Amino acid sequence: GIQVEQSPPDLILQEGANSTLRCNFSDSVNNLQWFHQNPWGQLINLFYIPSGTKQNGRLSATTVATERYSLLYISSSQTTDSGVYFCAVGTSGTYKYIFGTGTRLKVLA
Amino acid sequence: DAGVIQSPRHEVTEMGQEVTLRCKPISGHNSLFWYRQTMMRGLELLIYFNNNVPIDDSGMPEDRFSAKMPNASFSTLKIQPSEPRDSAVYFCASSFSPGGGYEQYFGPGTRLTVT
Repeated sequence: GIQVEQSPPDLILQEGANSTLRCNFSDSVNNLQWFHQNPWGQLINLFYIPSGTKQNGRLSATTVATERYSLLYISSSQTTDSGVYFCAVGTSGTYKYIFGTGTRLKVLA
Repeated sequence: DAGVIQSPRHEVTEMGQEVTLRCKPISGHNSLFWYRQTMMRGLELLIYFNNNVPIDDSGMPEDRFSAKMPNASFSTLKIQPSEPRDSAVYFCASSFSPGGGYEQYFGPGTRLTVT
């Protein structure tokens, strides 16, 4: 089956810093989402981005499907950005998502 | 919209008891997913339904687990009998899947503890 790898596994930032999170996948995908799991356990949709670039405030994402990776950019990080960021991918012909192991982010005040 | 609704939010039960988790998907969505999250295994898909029909239950760990979707607005995940290793957070998610791309929306989860 498709493999999803996220890097780095852990990241500590000072408030105001920028960061880039990466998601590599081993096969062609039709669907890709980025989620933020906050410290209370909620899974929050960030982007649905099977290809191209999207921006939402301080967050943006880019997926290069032909090269099998996606990037999540966080600019001017805030303590509320802390949590785990997951990439999930789905392949053609299935509704299933395979989740990566996540990047755990801690933003220090 | 209220989003995906799950109940209960927390469940503590003794080994051997039956546990039923409930999910109401977002109105208009036609796909529903049950996931389990543990520290050891991360987020795993247990089963998903499309138009109320189970499509893939290959992630259901064993016969003690069963899931139903009697109508478009309600689904249950049942564990009978429960065991301590079933302790986890169980998420329900829904999406509108017209045959092309789709976006999944997650509920708040049910934290299950089996003692």
